[in-house]
Amino acid sequence: SAVISQKPSRDICQRGTSLTIQCQVDSQVTMMFWYRQQPGQSLTLIATANQGSEATYESGFVIDKFPISRPNLTFSTLTVSNMSPEDSSIYLCSVEDRNEQYFGPGTRLTVT
Amino acid sequence: LAKTTQPISMDSYEGQEVNITCSHNNIATNDYITWYQQFPSQGPRFIIQGYKTKVTNEVASLFIPADRKSSTLSLPRVSLSDTAVYYCLVGDSDDMRFGAGTRLTVKP
Repeated sequence: SAVISQKPSRDICQRGTSLTIQCQVDSQVTMMFWYRQQPGQSLTLIATANQGSEATYESGFVIDKFPISRPNLTFSTLTVSNMSPEDSSIYLCSVEDRNEQYFGPGTRLTVT
Repeated sequence: LAKTTQPISMDSYEGQEVNITCSHNNIATNDYITWYQQFPSQGPRFIIQGYKTKVTNEVASLFIPADRKSSTLSLPRVSLSDTAVYYCLVGDSDDMRFGAGTRLTVKP
């Protein structure tokens, strides 16, 4: 199974700043996903990031707010830009590997 | 997109069998049914996946009737450590949507 790590594991950020979250996978995967999980709620898909193409964003999420990079088959970043307290959430990276989906440990973001 | 409906919460006791049912009336022909488990402060963890009939692994069983409009996750002899949120997903690898999940609480 794919092993996923994320950095940072948690952060507290000031309103108006930006944070870049890194996702590293121990194997090459085509499809990577970024999710958000707000307190007490289910996961919401932000975007799908395939290597070599622009990320595909879900309704309600835009590239200017959540720019994503996917430079190779084992790595991706999600940036949360111009943060507000409403962005406080857990952000999870996920990959699809051999028809199963695996999730990273998440990055807990608190915006003050 | 197939929408899933699950009970919001369930309570059980150690050693009991727990069955969590998920409704997915609009499931498409190509859709698989997948269940995930999520502990607090952790990412979801894959439990089991099936397309039709019954699937069993070392952790759980998944029962899917012929019309595939619902599925039941069965956890045999639960323990306190099975307290978690369980999510039913319907779709394929390109299109996965999480529902609200079922919060299972196992009591001693």
